[in-house]
Amino acid sequence: SYELTQPPSVSVSPGQTASITCSGDKLGDKYACWYQQKPGQSPVLIIYQNSKRPSGIPERFSGSNSGNTATLTISGTQAMDEADYYCQAWDSSTVVFGGGTKLTVL
Amino acid sequence: QVQLQESGPGLVKPSETLSLTCTVSGGSTTTYYWSWIRQPPGKGLEWIGYMYYSGITNYNPSLKSRVTISVDTSKNQFSLKLSSVTAADTAVYYCARDQGRDGYLDWGQGILVTVSS
Repeated sequence: SYELTQPPSVSVSPGQTASITCSGDKLGDKYACWYQQKPGQSPVLIIYQNSKRPSGIPERFSGSNSGNTATLTISGTQAMDEADYYCQAWDSSTVVFGGGTKLTVL
Repeated sequence: QVQLQESGPGLVKPSETLSLTCTVSGGSTTTYYWSWIRQPPGKGLEWIGYMYYSGITNYNPSLKSRVTISVDTSKNQFSLKLSSVTAADTAVYYCARDQGRDGYLDWGQGILVTVSS
């Protein structure tokens, strides 16, 4: 079965740039989405179709996808960005999630 | 904007069947994919499966033998049945509308289901 691999944790200082990767076989041939989840809340879409931001999502969130890796980049990270982040894609008519990355803003 | 709301028992006994319903408002179940996803306490997201509006279903292979997802277009609802549950099925269960491989998921608020005697 298809797998998406994320680092379990990423740390960043406030105001710096955070990058979270999501790796899967030929992931660049698929569309990747990214969701942010804060404790006790449902996941919130922050990136779809690799790099598009829904309305209301700050410009500091951006995405890319090429080769085997999709990347979520948060520029000028703020304390409110501390959360779990999940990548997601479709493979062979099934939905696959990455294991999630806990972003800590220290 | 579509809204989804899960409902059902918060406590299920081991070996019984977990049954949840998702009510959809602001959108029609006669299009898109209607999905269930779960999240065990402190863990990541696990896709359970979906029903496409045409009636086609697809389930996570690890759960396939125990899962049934159905859609009631007359009520604009869809449901999940998971049989022979154990403590490992304790999780927050989310319903979601999936726009497909070039789209994204719209999520419900989630419902905690605990499997315990």
